[in-house]
Amino acid sequence: DIQMTQSPSSLSASVGDRVTITCRASQSIRTYLNWYQQKPGKAPHLLIYAASSLQSGVPSRFSGSGSGTDFTLTISSLQPEDFATYFCQQSYSTPPYTFGQGTKLEIK
Amino acid sequence: EVQLLESGGGLVQPGGSLRLSCAASGFTFSNSIMGWVRQAPGKGLEWVSSISGSGTMTYYADSVKGRFNISRDNSKSTLYLQMHSLRDEDTTIYYCVKFHLVILAFDYWGLGTLVTVSS
Repeated sequence: DIQMTQSPSSLSASVGDRVTITCRASQSIRTYLNWYQQKPGKAPHLLIYAASSLQSGVPSRFSGSGSGTDFTLTISSLQPEDFATYFCQQSYSTPPYTFGQGTKLEIK
Repeated sequence: EVQLLESGGGLVQPGGSLRLSCAASGFTFSNSIMGWVRQAPGKGLEWVSSISGSGTMTYYADSVKGRFNISRDNSKSTLYLQMHSLRDEDTTIYYCVKFHLVILAFDYWGLGTLVTVSS
């Protein structure tokens, strides 16, 4: 199975900061990489699909990049509502569609 | 508006069984790949199972293979997860998810239903 590794596991930042979260796949997944945001007590929701495509309704301060095994999620200017946990997930080939372990973004 | 509403969670003893349901609306259910993703309290996400629109193709995580069975009733727009031989580690929130076949991502999630396996 393809393993997904996120870093860091947690991150403290301030409103207005630019932050980057990375995700590494154990083998090439081309651009079959998705990012989800989850707030406490809520279900996750899709932010970015196919490594760099913004899901409808997601603010443009979110962006994704990468291909092959290395990917990044960038938030250009943190807003108070962005403090949450972020997960990457690969959808290469057939299931299992594995997730990264998550990155908790906290207020500094 | 797409809605996924899970039900059927609760407390069950180790070794017991439980069936989860997910009532879907707001999209063409029979054309959609559906699945279940779970999350232990305070932990990460784990894909559990997926099923094709027709129900003929099913996939399972190794952790549940042989114990869980995914099915669907397209006439009722409802997804099911039948769980047997439940273990402590199956104690998680189970989310019903819709998989978008073009963008290859889980584009809609239910609110989740909590399953607690404990004696």
